Amino acid sequence: GQQLNQSPQSMFIQEGEDVSMNCTSSSIFNTWLWYKQEPGEGPVLLIALYKAGELTSNGRLTAQFGITRKDSFLNISASIPSDVGIYFCASGRGETSGSRLTFGEGTQLTVNP
Amino acid sequence: DAGITQSPRYKITETGRQVTLMCHQTWSHSYMFWYRQDLGHGLRLIYYSAAADITDKGEVPDGYVVSRSKTENFPLTLESATRSQTSVYFCASRGFGIYEQYFGPGTRLTVT
Repeated sequence: GQQLNQSPQSMFIQEGEDVSMNCTSSSIFNTWLWYKQEPGEGPVLLIALYKAGELTSNGRLTAQFGITRKDSFLNISASIPSDVGIYFCASGRGETSGSRLTFGEGTQLTVNP
Repeated sequence: DAGITQSPRYKITETGRQVTLMCHQTWSHSYMFWYRQDLGHGLRLIYYSAAADITDKGEVPDGYVVSRSKTENFPLTLESATRSQTSVYFCASRGFGIYEQYFGPGTRLTVT
């Protein structure tokens, strides 16, 4: 089936550092979504991307939909302790795919104060 | 303004028992989904529903049953729970024509 390769699996950084993570696939997708999950909670949508090449920001978060439509990255600038959590990428191909999203396995982010 | 809720939040049950996890959304979203989350496997789709009375299998449907008689509710039933079904279960919903899914807070299920 479709797979998303998300990297890195985990990151340990100091407060104030910038963070970059990405997702790649061998398949073309119509959308890329980025979610954050905090301990004991459900994933929360951060950014949605719908066009190849699209660059979207949400506060300190910036995400881009790759030109080839097979990849996306998420950057976090000037990290703070509350950025801790698991970040998931997700992608979709259209209604004909059964309305499904494919999820990456997540990047565990730890921020040391 | 609750959005999407799940109940119970925590459940411990014995092998062989029937368990039903509830999901309720207040947005009138067409689509609803059930996922399980396990270490090393990320989020895996169990079942989904495009509308009331329309359901379809996801990636890992065996051992689970769903129904959707009303748009706002999408219960997930484990007919005879097994230890391998110990997991965190998430319900999600989305509107028609968009991809963004919105997740509930999850149910942590332990089967002993």
